[in-house]
Amino acid sequence: RKEVEQDPGPFNVPEGATVAFNCTYSNSASQSFFWYRQDCRKEPKLLMSVYSSGNEDGRFTAQLNRASQYISLLIRDSKLSDSATYLCVVTITGNQFYFGTGTSLTVIP
Amino acid sequence: NAGVTQTPKFQVLKTGQSMTLQCAQDMNHEYMSWYRQDPGMGLRLIHYSVGAGITDQGEVPNGYNVSRSTTEDFPLRLLSAAPSQTSVYFCASLPGPGANVLTFGAGSRLTVL
Repeated sequence: RKEVEQDPGPFNVPEGATVAFNCTYSNSASQSFFWYRQDCRKEPKLLMSVYSSGNEDGRFTAQLNRASQYISLLIRDSKLSDSATYLCVVTITGNQFYFGTGTSLTVIP
Repeated sequence: NAGVTQTPKFQVLKTGQSMTLQCAQDMNHEYMSWYRQDPGMGLRLIHYSVGAGITDQGEVPNGYNVSRSTTEDFPLRLLSAAPSQTSVYFCASLPGPGANVLTFGAGSRLTVL
């Protein structure tokens, strides 16, 4: 069983829409949680960490549900520049990061 | 700062050939790692290192060797390339234990014929 599972999409949404991605993880001992963004043929880059209390960064809101072992990312007022693949990432020990396969988002004009 | 530098960006090999993917970082990061990314599989950890002289296996280490003789460099060696090793390879580093922002290199696209 994969450590992290994501719906690969693709999600095609119009500009201004709100879109949500979910991700589940299998190991209840997982310690840290993140969303990374990867543009086509580029390296992944940290979008935001995910905290138990939930956290927001501008149009982006991340939530963690430890009881159900899932993580979510909400993007409000989608922009064309949000088109990318969003990777859900967890760590079990401090040194090993486990990546989901990614969810593809295309924002349409 | 250059960050994490990977070379080469592209490489084509024949089955059985050997090669080394280079990774260097100038941030004095203790932790370095190699991932491969394949369609539908996500990024998978190959090998990692928590400091000079220390390496360990990740999820998919078979067919790859690493060494960490300096803090800055973490080369990945393919001793006898196989078509199954066709992939995009990313090197990534962290300042140390407990740090949570992986800094990635730009990637190396390898094709094995």
